[in-house]
Amino acid sequence: SQKIEQNSEALNIQEGKTATLTCNYTNYSPAYLQWYRQDPGRGPVFLLLIRENEKEKRKERLKVTFDTTLKQSLFHITASQPADSATYLCALDGNTGFQKLVFGTGTRLLVSP
Amino acid sequence: DSGVTQTPKHLITATGQRVTLRCSPRSGDLSVYWYQQSLDQGLQFLIQYYNGEERAKGNILERFSAQQFPDLHSELNLSSLELGDSALYFCASSARSATDTQYFGPGTRLTVL
Repeated sequence: SQKIEQNSEALNIQEGKTATLTCNYTNYSPAYLQWYRQDPGRGPVFLLLIRENEKEKRKERLKVTFDTTLKQSLFHITASQPADSATYLCALDGNTGFQKLVFGTGTRLLVSP
Repeated sequence: DSGVTQTPKHLITATGQRVTLRCSPRSGDLSVYWYQQSLDQGLQFLIQYYNGEERAKGNILERFSAQQFPDLHSELNLSSLELGDSALYFCASSARSATDTQYFGPGTRLTVL
């Protein structure tokens, strides 16, 4: 069956460290993958999109990698800050004949001062 | 502020009732998406409209229906409500397709008692 897996356990790190979040998928062949940030009770906010032919994408302190062989994307936040505390969702195109985004359940990141 | 508006913010109703959730997309966006987010299910894609026409369908129940009007605002109708329909309902919009960045609204929190 098709699955998108993100670590359901919260990731606790100290301010200034690099946070690395993982998104694994099964039985999908996405043309692209997106990462979103969601704060409690609010809508997701788009962060980055990476296409299947791109290995890495960067935006300020954010870096995303996409390995279609491993069927995995890694999301890094360098020099993390308490304000980065949120839930991070990965999403990919459902490649079911029409375009739709399928979301993982997200990983909660807690950055302590 | 994403530019996507949703009303109402909160809705409390009883089982068996019918409610309508409203969404106004960002100016210029032609696609509207509806998502349901509950604690145990994550963010689930329900349906997409593009310029007034249904484009893609996800796990939308038969009791739920949606439409997009000529002015591009959209409504999600939920009928014969059950306790399990309690969730956050998000609307998102994008320029054209799901490969474009999706901008999410603040959501409507539905509580069915």
